Amino acid sequence: DTEVTQTPKHLVMGMTNKKSLKCEQHMGHRAMYWYKQKAKKPPELMFVYSYEKLSINESVPSRFSPECPNSSLLNLHLHALQPEDSALYLCASSQEAAGDGYTFGSGTRLTVV
Amino acid sequence: AQKVTQAQTEISVVEKEDVTLDCVYETRDTTYYLFWYKQPPSGELVFLIRRNSFDEQNEISGRYSWNFQKSTSSFNFTITASQVVDSAVYFCALSLSLMDTGRRALTFGSGTRLQVQP
Repeated sequence: DTEVTQTPKHLVMGMTNKKSLKCEQHMGHRAMYWYKQKAKKPPELMFVYSYEKLSINESVPSRFSPECPNSSLLNLHLHALQPEDSALYLCASSQEAAGDGYTFGSGTRLTVV
Repeated sequence: AQKVTQAQTEISVVEKEDVTLDCVYETRDTTYYLFWYKQPPSGELVFLIRRNSFDEQNEISGRYSWNFQKSTSSFNFTITASQVVDSAVYFCALSLSLMDTGRRALTFGSGTRLQVQP
């Protein structure tokens, strides 16, 4: 299995809703990432987990809450989002060794109404 | 801090033309990795190539070729005989070689949108 699977593919949520994005990989990768990509912009790093511990939080608002329950799973819990949070959310994973490739999921396209 | 610059925002070519996408990077580290990704309209990021800073050999894969020059901090990507299916946004990216896996994330350039007209 050489894939990163993200669910759901599309999500529409209201500003008072609570929802979660899910990311799963079974490649034995020990680093997992959340990126946010606005339209016509490059992906921007949000969070990095290494060995199931949060190692980087790029000053992301607390309405985004990451969770890494085990080495294969990465969640992003969403609460009280704003319309400007509408974007493509990409998950990625990478091996331990330096320079190993990063495998990206196909993303969750989130719309906040 | 590292930085990746893709000065070409959008390029339009006619099918069968050759096209080169430019990428210039900045980093103080001596060991690093450079990547190219393709993002079609469907949104997924498709890995194209990875190069480490010690390997300046150019690479060719089918219609794709890459020219890495450390002297000018550039890692340019050429598509020969372009096809409509090559239409996508192409991102150049940089990753540092840090011992701490958790700090080794990709930094992306702003991307170049390539449109190949039939």
